[in-house]
Amino acid sequence: DTAVSQTPKYLVTQMGNDKSIKCEQNLGHDTMYWYKQDSKKFLKIMFSYNNKELIINETVPNRFSPKSPDKAHLNLHINSLELGDSAVYFCASSQGRQRSGANVLTFGAGSRLTVL
Amino acid sequence: QQQVKQSPQSLIVQKGGISIINCAYENTAFDYFPWYQQFPGKGPALLIAIRPDVSEKKEGRFTISFNKSAKQFSLHIMDSQPGDSATYFCAASISSGTYKYIFGTGTRLKVLA
Repeated sequence: DTAVSQTPKYLVTQMGNDKSIKCEQNLGHDTMYWYKQDSKKFLKIMFSYNNKELIINETVPNRFSPKSPDKAHLNLHINSLELGDSAVYFCASSQGRQRSGANVLTFGAGSRLTVL
Repeated sequence: QQQVKQSPQSLIVQKGGISIINCAYENTAFDYFPWYQQFPGKGPALLIAIRPDVSEKKEGRFTISFNKSAKQFSLHIMDSQPGDSATYFCAASISSGTYKYIFGTGTRLKVLA
């Protein structure tokens, strides 16, 4: 029973193509995220949804479009793929603020996108 | 202001030694400082976290030391084991904010057997 699952795990595609990555969490969390990890391992937030509402939208090209059909799912669609989009994309979820004030992220295993 | 600076970039330690990773931040509004551990091919996972009202938190072999006045915090791994070999990320967030984490640049730790 994977808590945060992403598909596909690997994605190899040509420049200019459109692709989607799907994410599902079974933790009952209210908030979901997309993070991008580049070849140097830098982790950068891209988007966050809280109960299907977009709450974080970092400076990301508008070729990237997140969609949250319900609070357990957050998908990422990428149009007109470029070489620089090659990275590992992580989905994460959190319960939001707990009693401690902490917001603990649970990450999926990642989707490695390679653009040729 | 939003950056979290992490050092060193990579670290090699002998088995049984102490691994120390340092982070520094600028934004005094940050009030939650977690460390995440990432093994190859896996997503990061929460290791240990601290809030600025305490100067130290220990969980097993892992200790966070926090210096609020210097705006620095560090992870100490005592009796380092080969199984601790991973990439470690510090992070900072604002509890009253939009759940956004700022991650450090990561430290690749290798523990030699």
